[in-house]
Amino acid sequence: IVLTQSPATLSLSPGETATLSCRASQNIKIYLAWYQQKPGQAPRLLISDASRRATGIPARFSGSGSGSDFTLTISSLEPDDFAVYYCQQRYNWPPLTFGGGTKVEIK
Amino acid sequence: EVQLVESGGGLVQPGGSLRLSCAASGFTFSQFSMSWVRQAPGEGLEWVANINEDGSEKYFVDSVKGRFTVSRDNAKDSLYLQMNSLRVEDTAMYYCARGLFIFDYWGQGNLVTVSS
Repeated sequence: IVLTQSPATLSLSPGETATLSCRASQNIKIYLAWYQQKPGQAPRLLISDASRRATGIPARFSGSGSGSDFTLTISSLEPDDFAVYYCQQRYNWPPLTFGGGTKVEIK
Repeated sequence: EVQLVESGGGLVQPGGSLRLSCAASGFTFSQFSMSWVRQAPGEGLEWVANINEDGSEKYFVDSVKGRFTVSRDNAKDSLYLQMNSLRVEDTAMYYCARGLFIFDYWGQGNLVTVSS
């Protein structure tokens, strides 16, 4: 299953809302996760099963979608949120697959 | 506090072998499946392999099948990735992660460089 993330780069200012898209090449129901990765760090789980926030993840991160179209929304961006975000499917595996990533950068 | 600490990476020539280790602490290791995920320099994430709680089930991405093996020692709270017949394209940061298909904790990563 191929996951296509868009846009590749999102340039926003702190306080704005980020809307990231992940499209699957086939129906994956709700079996999608989102991860955040900052430079030089390991990824961090944000969202599982399309909309379930992981432990300790702030409420400004929200996930939605089902089937083949998914969205990660980051409300009121904080300086710590500028990073690369990856989606990952677990519906049909192996292999487990990740999207190519969206970089959220400071405008 | 959950901790995953990888070791064993480094520089190896094409065709060579390396064994990565991942030492787990802060949780009951034997109750969790584990995975390896890699990231080539400047690239995205790629799942490599996973193993269930007792080591009886293992899965691999096609590109490493027959070359990599994954194992675990629950008595030592450790996960391993044996990498044989290494190729230049295996150069990456290798992360161990907790979970079979959702990765809720990650190690800091261990760099493997395959080059002559």
